[in-house]
Amino acid sequence: AQKITQTQPGMFVQEKEAVTLDCTYDTSDQSYGLFWYKQPSSGEMIFLIYQGSYDEQNATEGRYSLNFQKARKSANLVISASQLGDSAMYFCAMRHCKLSFGAGTTVTVRA
Amino acid sequence: GAGVSQTPSNKVTEKGKYVELRCDPISGHTALYWYRQSLGQGPEFLIYFQGTGAADDSGLPNDRFFAVRPEGSVSTLKIQRTERGDSAVYLCASSWKGGPGANVLTFGAGSRLTVL
Repeated sequence: AQKITQTQPGMFVQEKEAVTLDCTYDTSDQSYGLFWYKQPSSGEMIFLIYQGSYDEQNATEGRYSLNFQKARKSANLVISASQLGDSAMYFCAMRHCKLSFGAGTTVTVRA
Repeated sequence: GAGVSQTPSNKVTEKGKYVELRCDPISGHTALYWYRQSLGQGPEFLIYFQGTGAADDSGLPNDRFFAVRPEGSVSTLKIQRTERGDSAVYLCASSWKGGPGANVLTFGAGSRLTVL
């Protein structure tokens, strides 16, 4: 069974600062994918970044980077230079066949 | 289509009624997923189709819930004898294929179901 844990229910970050969102996972599969999605108050689910279990380099997409530590089963998301528009719920997810989500972290960016 | 389309966007029904929620995936996407999301929680997996067949229906909570995808494109989630606890946003997503690769799921806007 897959299990994804996000231990931070809510976080505040100052505009232009960086923030790290924690995610740990548990799986017996060797091949899997790790995803982060953003869900603003409008409700849409927006894909941010992907990391494959066999990828040796940490994934980066603009201001988003994924700190992948396979041995620790950790896939933390780093958002650099936070903007007011980054305020949203963030979900970590893992996929072998189906995509399973964590409980999410609410990020509030302060001006 | 350009994105994943879900109808209705909002459905209010009475306890005990039957409800159908429709999902029209991105053209060419073979994998289709249904999730349920309650307020303040992460999406909860319900069922995953690869083509016309349900590859994994382990998330369906009970036999009141059923989903079909007869032609490998549009899918319908059917809920019989609705209960107040079924109230949630039902999200549909599609991807090029299933499996662990970098096949990003694209989500629809969801169908908000309220059971009175």
